[in-house]
Amino acid sequence: DGGITQSPKYLFRKEGQNVTLSCEQNLNHDAMYWYRQDPGQGLRLIYYSQIVNDFQKGDIAEGYSVSREKKESFPLTVTSAQKNPTAFYLCASSEQGDTEKLFFGSGTQLSVL
Amino acid sequence: GQQVMQIPQYQHVQEGEDFTTYCNSSTTLSNIQWYKQRPGGHPVFLIQLVKSGEVKKQKRLTFQFGEAKKNSSLHITATQTTDVGTYFCAPSGSARQLTFGSGTQLTVLP
Repeated sequence: DGGITQSPKYLFRKEGQNVTLSCEQNLNHDAMYWYRQDPGQGLRLIYYSQIVNDFQKGDIAEGYSVSREKKESFPLTVTSAQKNPTAFYLCASSEQGDTEKLFFGSGTQLSVL
Repeated sequence: GQQVMQIPQYQHVQEGEDFTTYCNSSTTLSNIQWYKQRPGGHPVFLIQLVKSGEVKKQKRLTFQFGEAKKNSSLHITATQTTDVGTYFCAPSGSARQLTFGSGTQLTVLP
């Protein structure tokens, strides 16, 4: 089945710790995205990448980092600089066509211990 | 990205009643997408509207794009319990500029 796989489903972070969220897609999409969702709120863009080895900051990039070494993979690191990391993190991908609709993974819930 | 206001934030309806959510922008939009997120799930693409005044239907769902391309609406006729979830509008020029509204959380009472 084609799709986007996020892991883990739940993740806990200790104070001062960096954690990495995985996102893999086999849809052969060029573009990938990371969104943060807080309870009862919409999605806010953290980072996006349109091609391998290139990525841009979204609206709330501070405290996060990404890499795009392979087309299929776009991991997100939540660094210790992110003081309020508890949220639901969603990875998405899209073709570079006219529609540009997003396909989402099932998400990772990150909580702080 | 584009700033949009989505109303209402919450809506409770009795099964069989109609439901409408509105998305409003102060600036002209290039196009707009709609997504549905079931409780505990992830957003799923529903539709994209591009043309001024465009109306599209998907079974009981009717999507509209305003003549001035500054607002959009999603109307559900005769809601069912399967319609439960949060509906988001998302204006875009391309997905990398996609900004999501805060969503309307729909509860359908049986």
